[in-house]
Amino acid sequence: LAKTTQPISMDSYEGQEVNITCSHNNIATNDYITWYQQFPSQGPRFIIQGYKTKVTNEVASLFIPADRKSSTLSLPRVSLSDTAVYYCLVGEPRGSGGYQKVTFGIGTKLQVIP
Amino acid sequence: DTGVSQNPRHKITKRGQNVTFRCDPISEHNRLYWYRQTLGQGPEFLTYFQNEAQLEKSRLLSDRFSAERPKGSFSTLEIQRTEQGDSAMYLCASSSSGTKEGYTFGSGTRLTVV
Repeated sequence: LAKTTQPISMDSYEGQEVNITCSHNNIATNDYITWYQQFPSQGPRFIIQGYKTKVTNEVASLFIPADRKSSTLSLPRVSLSDTAVYYCLVGEPRGSGGYQKVTFGIGTKLQVIP
Repeated sequence: DTGVSQNPRHKITKRGQNVTFRCDPISEHNRLYWYRQTLGQGPEFLTYFQNEAQLEKSRLLSDRFSAERPKGSFSTLEIQRTEQGDSAMYLCASSSSGTKEGYTFGSGTRLTVV
């Protein structure tokens, strides 16, 4: 399983765009990059997943450069409710009879300031 | 379907007692995972089921831990002779094979061993 490295914490003011970068130098060809959000006393919640280039949904954007050794989660115009821990994970979401044993790191604790 | 359900939400037990947690996954999901999370850390993988078959157990899962998923539906995680080090949030997640979707986590069961 590819190891990921992301900042331990970040602060941002309300209304700003937040970019959280994750390094995954040993990403394998079949690996996808997935981001989860976790609030205190809740389980992680899936945010976005991608393989290459750019993926966008109603919550966030995920930017993945051509070498795929890093990825950036972009949260537009954050609000106080975006204060949470954000995890970057790398692994194969499916395979022929295989599965993805997801490994979480410590994550990035995002604090949104009024 | 209301997502992944875990019961109880909180459990306080005396050291040496046995405890059992239950997880009801999303009905159409054939994969089920158990994770453990301690304060300030990301979730750690414990075990994984595909339908009723337990396909992998982490080395974190000592002999005091056992998980079952009869009939490939709900799952139980039992901890025998609890120790204070077992105090943690126990998270259950489910997913569907053959898709790129991420996991859906439950809200977890917080265990406190006193």
